[in-house]
Amino acid sequence: EAQVTQNPRYLITVTGKKLTVTCSQNMNHEYMSWYRQDPGLGLRQIYYSMNVEVTDKGDVPEGYKVSRKEKRNFPLILESPSPNQTSLYFCASSSTGVRNNEQFFGPGTRLTVL
Amino acid sequence: AQSVAQPEDQVNVAEGNPLTVKCTYSVSGNPYLFWYVQYPNRGLQFLLKYITGDNLVKGSYGFEAEFNKSQTSFHLKKPSALVSDSALYFCAVMRMNRDDKIIFGKGTRLHILP
Repeated sequence: EAQVTQNPRYLITVTGKKLTVTCSQNMNHEYMSWYRQDPGLGLRQIYYSMNVEVTDKGDVPEGYKVSRKEKRNFPLILESPSPNQTSLYFCASSSTGVRNNEQFFGPGTRLTVL
Repeated sequence: AQSVAQPEDQVNVAEGNPLTVKCTYSVSGNPYLFWYVQYPNRGLQFLLKYITGDNLVKGSYGFEAEFNKSQTSFHLKKPSALVSDSALYFCAVMRMNRDDKIIFGKGTRLHILP
C-alpha cells in the first residue's frame, strides 16, 4: 500500500531532550516536507526537500533540523525541544513537487514538550 | 511574501444546500492555488489545484473552486452539501516559477447540519 508513515505517533518529552521524528514514504517520491499544525495558526511548513541531499527552509524552520540522505526517509530533528514546539506534526511527500502533483500526508505525530 | 486568508473560522450549512468556503491570497506574480481537507482524526487530503487555464477547477468529492485574479480569491464550492463534507478545509498558495515553499491558510471548519 502506498503510504507515508511517521513514528512515533505520540510523544511526550521534556525541554532540552533531543528527539527525532521519522518519516518514510514508499512511493519513490522526490519531494518531501514537514508541517506543524496549531490551533488558530493552521498548517505551517517547516522544511522541504526536493530530492536527496537537497533541503530548504519553509515558513517556520527555527528550532528544527532535517536531513535527506535517502530518497524514502526525511527525519525531523529537534535538537533542544522547547514547550512552544508542542504541536501536531505532519510529513508529506509528492512525486516531483507540490506544483504539479498532489501531496500525500502521513497520519501525524502529536508532540508535547513539558 | 505570499499569504493566504481564510476569513471564516467556521461555516455552517444545511445538508443539501450549496456551500462556499472563502479564500483570498497575496503573492507576487502568478499563483499556484490549492485546497486540502482534513477529516476528523485523519490526515490531510488533496482536493484540487489551480495552476493555469480555466478559472473553474473541479476536484475530488464534487468540490470545485473558482479562481478570480482581480479579487485575488479562490473560493471552494459545492452545489449540494453532504453531512460527510464536515471537516477542516485549508487553502494554500505557492509562487509560480519560484521556490517550492507553500503557505497554508489557518483553516475553515465546515459543519454540515442534517
